[in-house]
Amino acid sequence: GENVEQHPSTLSVQEGDSAVIKCTYSDSASNYFPWYKQELGKGPQLIIDIRSNVGEKKDQRIAVTLNKTAKHFSLHITETQPEDSAVYFCAVVGAGTALIFGKGTTLSVSS
Amino acid sequence: DAGVIQSPRHEVTEMGQEVTLRCKPISGHDYLFWYRQTMMRGLELLIYFNNNVPIDDSGMPEDRFSAKMPNASFSTLKIQPSEPRDSAVYFCASSFSRSAEAFFGQGTRLTVV
Repeated sequence: GENVEQHPSTLSVQEGDSAVIKCTYSDSASNYFPWYKQELGKGPQLIIDIRSNVGEKKDQRIAVTLNKTAKHFSLHITETQPEDSAVYFCAVVGAGTALIFGKGTTLSVSS
Repeated sequence: DAGVIQSPRHEVTEMGQEVTLRCKPISGHDYLFWYRQTMMRGLELLIYFNNNVPIDDSGMPEDRFSAKMPNASFSTLKIQPSEPRDSAVYFCASSFSRSAEAFFGQGTRLTVV
């Protein structure tokens, strides 16, 4: 089945810096790549997603890039703010499967 | 819509007891997913339904776990008998398709003592 690796597991940045989280996947048939943010005591919430026919997508301070050949995709957060502190999960949907999540990255933004 | 609604929010039970977790998906969503979250294993897909039919239950840990979706607005995840290693946060989510935004409930924190 699909295997999703996410790095790093923890990331600490200063307010205003950029943060990058990377994920790799194993199934070349995978076609949907969302990123979720989870705050303490809540369920994960979608922040951005990308499909296999697109290489990059941006939404204000958040961007996602996809390299289908290398089977990896990344989340980029610019001008980080304290409220960006949370756990971020990448996920992959392959042929016949539902969302398979990476292990998560705990992002801490200090002011 | 109030979003995905799960109950109870917290459940503490003794080993060997039956536990039933409940989920009401967002109206109109055809897909319903059950996930389990632990520190060690992260977010694991247990089972998902399409139009009330179980499609993939390969993530269900063992026969002690069962899930049903009797209609489009209700699903249950049952553990019988429960064991301490079942302690986790269980999430229900729903969406229009497998490759669309999944909306998660607040989760049920299960503690088996």
